[in-house]
Amino acid sequence: SQTIHQWPATLVQPVGSPLSLECTVEGTSNPNLYWYRQAAGRGLQLLFYSVGIGQISSEVPQNLSASRPQDRQFILSSKKLLLSDSGFYLCAWRGRSGWWGAGGYGYTFGSGTRLTVV
Amino acid sequence: AQSVAQPEDQVNVAEGNPLTVKCTYSVSGNPYLFWYVQYPNRGLQFLLKYITGDNLVKGSYGFEAEFNKSQTSFHLKKPSALVSDSALYFCAVRDLGSGNTGKLIFGQGTTLQVKP
Repeated sequence: SQTIHQWPATLVQPVGSPLSLECTVEGTSNPNLYWYRQAAGRGLQLLFYSVGIGQISSEVPQNLSASRPQDRQFILSSKKLLLSDSGFYLCAWRGRSGWWGAGGYGYTFGSGTRLTVV
Repeated sequence: AQSVAQPEDQVNVAEGNPLTVKCTYSVSGNPYLFWYVQYPNRGLQFLLKYITGDNLVKGSYGFEAEFNKSQTSFHLKKPSALVSDSALYFCAVRDLGSGNTGKLIFGQGTTLQVKP
């Protein structure tokens, strides 16, 4: 079965420190991968998505970057965190085939990382 | 531009009563619509989707949603609410302009509070 792992679950970092959040998917190949940020427990903002190794698309200009060094690994990074980077970060994946069909279920989300920049 | 709107920040309902969480959409073609639920400090979980076919879609945990093309709505419903249904609910629509990237556009979320 397919699973998605995201870590760490919580993180408290000082302003100006680096960041690395990791997301890995198991049980599938060539997934589309997504990073979302959820501020103040409400709306979801798409930060990055990737359709393949080394292919990263950024949705909004920001202090963060993403990388996909392996097919099922998606990393969110920052060289210097800002206070405004605080939030709940969610990784998600979807498969390629049959996503829109009867067996498709849209995205599968990881359990999230609560980042607090102090 | 494609969009999804959830007009209510919060919905309050008594346990055992029916519930409705509203969602309206704006897309240029045939919509693919989804509902997700999020419990505190957790990821989103898929509830149900509409792609084509019957306008009434049944999903997990007794939830259902009705697709109404003329009103461009996809409201989430449940005949009898449970306290454990209390959570944050998101409506989403496939971004038809995103090609094979499969991006979803999410609404702002509606907090459902079910009181005993």
